[in-house]
Amino acid sequence: DIQMTQSPSLLSASVGDRVTLSCKASQNIYKYLNWYQQKLGEAPKLLIYYTNSLQTGIPSRFSGSGSGTDYTLTISSLQPEDVATYFCQQYNSWYTFGAGTKLELK
Amino acid sequence: EVQLVESGGGLVQPGRSLKLSCAASGFTFSNYYMAWVRQAPKKGLEWVATISTSGSRTYYPDSVKGRFTISRDNAKSSLYLQMNSLKSEDTATYYCARSLTTVVTRDPFAYWGQGTLVTVSS
Repeated sequence: DIQMTQSPSLLSASVGDRVTLSCKASQNIYKYLNWYQQKLGEAPKLLIYYTNSLQTGIPSRFSGSGSGTDYTLTISSLQPEDVATYFCQQYNSWYTFGAGTKLELK
Repeated sequence: EVQLVESGGGLVQPGRSLKLSCAASGFTFSNYYMAWVRQAPKKGLEWVATISTSGSRTYYPDSVKGRFTISRDNAKSSLYLQMNSLKSEDTATYYCARSLTTVVTRDPFAYWGQGTLVTVSS
């Protein structure tokens, strides 16, 4: 099974900051990597698919990059509504999620 | 607007069974692979099952294989999850999810329901 490791587990940042979240796979997942945002009490929402494709309706301040085993979600200018937990998910070999990065405002 | 509404959750004793349902609307249900994903309280996400458009192919992780059965009724735009031999570790919110596109077996989960809570406890 492919394991997904996210870092950090908790991230504090200020409004307007550029924020970077990391996700590492236990083997090459060939860019089959998605990012989801989950706000408190809500279902997850797809933000980015296939490493860097922005889902419809998602603000352009969100972007993704990476290859092989290492992937990144970047928020170019943090907004208050971005407070949430972010999960990465590989779908090269069925599906595995990371444990999440909780993003809070400093 | 795509809508997915789960139902059927509740408190169940270990070893018993429970069937979840998901009512879909706002899209042509029969064109999309569908899945169930669960989230234990204050934990991460775990894929539970996927079903093909016709229902002829189903896929499960080892953690639920042989105990859970995913099915669908395209005429009713409904998805189901039959859960047997439930264990305490099956306690979670269960989400119904729709694939992003109509063309591939493994696809991102583009739309999610609000979830239904299953608690397995004596």
